[in-house]
Amino acid sequence: GENVEQHPSTLSVQEGDSAVIKCTYSDSASNYFPWYKQELGKRPQLIIDIRSNVGEKKDQRIAVTLNKTAKHFSLHITETQPEDSAVYFCAASIEGTNAGKSTFGDGTTLTVKP
Amino acid sequence: IAGITQAPTSQILAAGRRMTLRCTQDMRHNAMYWYRQDLGLGLRLIHYSNTAGTTGKGEVPDGYSVSRANTDDFPLTLASAVPSQTSVYFCASRPGGNSPLHFGNGTRLTVT
Repeated sequence: GENVEQHPSTLSVQEGDSAVIKCTYSDSASNYFPWYKQELGKRPQLIIDIRSNVGEKKDQRIAVTLNKTAKHFSLHITETQPEDSAVYFCAASIEGTNAGKSTFGDGTTLTVKP
Repeated sequence: IAGITQAPTSQILAAGRRMTLRCTQDMRHNAMYWYRQDLGLGLRLIHYSNTAGTTGKGEVPDGYSVSRANTDDFPLTLASAVPSQTSVYFCASRPGGNSPLHFGNGTRLTVT
């Protein structure tokens, strides 16, 4: 089955700096890659996703890049703010059917210091 | 109800007891999922259902069962709870195809 590895497990940055989280996946058939943000005690919520037919997607301060050849994708957060502090999860799945079971990385705890 | 509702919010359960975690969604999503979240291990899929009447096993199904009698409800049952099932359980759903998961607020279960 699919295996997703996420690095780093913890990341601390100063407010205003950029943060980058990287994930690798094992199944070359995976074609859908969402990122979720989970604040302390809350549920995971989607922040951005990318499909295998594009290499990059941006939404304001957040961007995701995908390298299908190398089977890795990354989350980029620019101009970080204290409210960006949370646990971030990447996921990979094979879409196209209703199954679409997502395999998650183990998460990155991001701390943005004011 | 808006989205996914899970109940109970938290529960302390004696080992060996039977427990059903409830999950209801009002978005008419076809696919539903149960994940458990343990510190440092991310979210691991327990069981899933592509559509009403069908279910499948995820990566950690042992000790758990599910049913999907209709579109809205997807209960998770622990037949005989063990301490290793102490975790936070999230129910999730999606319309199907290339779409993100919508999560419930989770159930924090402690098995003593």
